[in-house]
Amino acid sequence: GAVVSQHPSRVICKSGTSVKIECRSLDFQATTMFWYRQFPKKSLMLMATSNEGSKATYEQGVEKDKFLINHASLTLSTLTVTSAHPEDSSFYICSASLAAGELFFGEGSRLTVL
Amino acid sequence: GENVEQHPSTLSVQEGDSAVIKCTYSDSASNYFPWYKQELGKRPQLIIDIRSNVGEKKDQRIAVTLNKTAKHFSLHITETQPEDSAVYFCAARHSGGYQKVTFGTGTKLQVIP
Repeated sequence: GAVVSQHPSRVICKSGTSVKIECRSLDFQATTMFWYRQFPKKSLMLMATSNEGSKATYEQGVEKDKFLINHASLTLSTLTVTSAHPEDSSFYICSASLAAGELFFGEGSRLTVL
Repeated sequence: GENVEQHPSTLSVQEGDSAVIKCTYSDSASNYFPWYKQELGKRPQLIIDIRSNVGEKKDQRIAVTLNKTAKHFSLHITETQPEDSAVYFCAARHSGGYQKVTFGTGTKLQVIP
């Protein structure tokens, strides 16, 4: 199957700083990638749809200025958590799909904001 | 938007017994229904999927059924093993737009040896 790689897997930062998470499709081109957030023992909540060459589409309730998404190429999407606060601590996971529909996930990034 | 409900939230079965997890979806435009298994701290892994033009699909001990009319789909695991213990998520993918995938709330399955 297709491979999606996400980095970093773990990051700890101080409150007020920004953190960038990268999501790469290694062996296929992904015009669309999805960013999810997962709280402990909870489901995956779609944050935004990342579209190559255009602005991301955010889900209701997700702050665009807080969670900056850039999809600069067909193999890379980035999520930047700006001015992070402890409540932003979570597991962030990206995904991409082939035309057939199967969704492939990155390894996930566990963000801890002190 | 799409709403996917999943039941039960937790499920304990004895090793060798069957486990059934049920989901409902709201948007009739959804046409692809994957099931994922997620172990603690890991990424979700696709275990089986079904498309809207099929009513049932089986892969060894795992099967999925889909009732489009009722907007129900279910995961069946037979002859459960301890390594089946994990959280399982159903999902529904919309056929239009960016084909967003909406996940159910998850079922924590515990297989007791």
